[in-house]
Amino acid sequence: NAGVTQTPKFRILKIGQSMTLQCTQDMNHNYMYWYRQDPGMGLKLIYYSVGAGITDKGEVPNGYNVSRSTTEDFPLRLELAAPSQTSVYFCASRLKLAGVYEQYFGPGTRLTVT
Amino acid sequence: ELKVEQNPLFLSMQEGKNYTIYCNYSTTSDRLYWYRQDPGKSLESLFVLLSNGAVKQEGRLMASLDTKARLSTLHITAAVHDLSATYFCAVVPRQSNFGNEKLTFGTGTRLTIIP
Repeated sequence: NAGVTQTPKFRILKIGQSMTLQCTQDMNHNYMYWYRQDPGMGLKLIYYSVGAGITDKGEVPNGYNVSRSTTEDFPLRLELAAPSQTSVYFCASRLKLAGVYEQYFGPGTRLTVT
Repeated sequence: ELKVEQNPLFLSMQEGKNYTIYCNYSTTSDRLYWYRQDPGKSLESLFVLLSNGAVKQEGRLMASLDTKARLSTLHITAAVHDLSATYFCAVVPRQSNFGNEKLTFGTGTRLTIIP
C-alpha cells in the first residue's frame, strides 16, 4: 500500500489563479479529510468526506471546494487563490487500528500564493 | 466552539531532563490524540487516549488523560535529541459521531533537546 499520497509537493500560485490539490489513498478508507496548517499553528479542518459522493464543510471551508467521485480520490479545489491561502495542506484518511479509529496523514502540499 | 490550548508553545531542554507538555480543552471529550511532527514533514500518530485515567507509554514518552479536568499531559523522561519535534494534541468533542473523528488541534509545542 502506498498509503495517502498528495500531489504536488510544492506549488506557487499568483493571486486569482486556480488549482487542484490531489489526494489519493489505496486503503479503501471511506472517511477522508483536508486540513491546512499555517506557520507555527495546528491543523484546521477544511472539508471532509464520509464516502463517495458525500462531503461536508469543516472549520475553514471558505475559498475551497471538494468532490468525492471515488473512494480513492478526494481532490481539493482553490478557485481564486488569495495570499491568505498560503499554507501547507494535508490530506488524511481514517483507519482502524486495534479497534481504535485514527487518522493517517499524507505528506502534505506546500502552497504559496503571491 | 471547542478550543484546545497547549503549553508551553516552545520548550528547550537539555538531554537527560524530564518535562511535561500540557493540553487543555474546553468541551466534554473522551477521545484525545497526540501527534509528532518533524520539520517539513507530516504528522505521526503517537497515542490515542479514550477514557478518563487512560495512560499510554512508548519509550521515553508517556501520555495521560483526565477528562474531568479536561487535561492531557505528555511527559518526557530523560530526553534525548531524537525527541526534538513539534508535538500536537487533538481532541474529538463527545457529541461527534464516533466514526467521524473531526479533530480540533492545539497550536503545538515545539520541543528542542539540547545535547
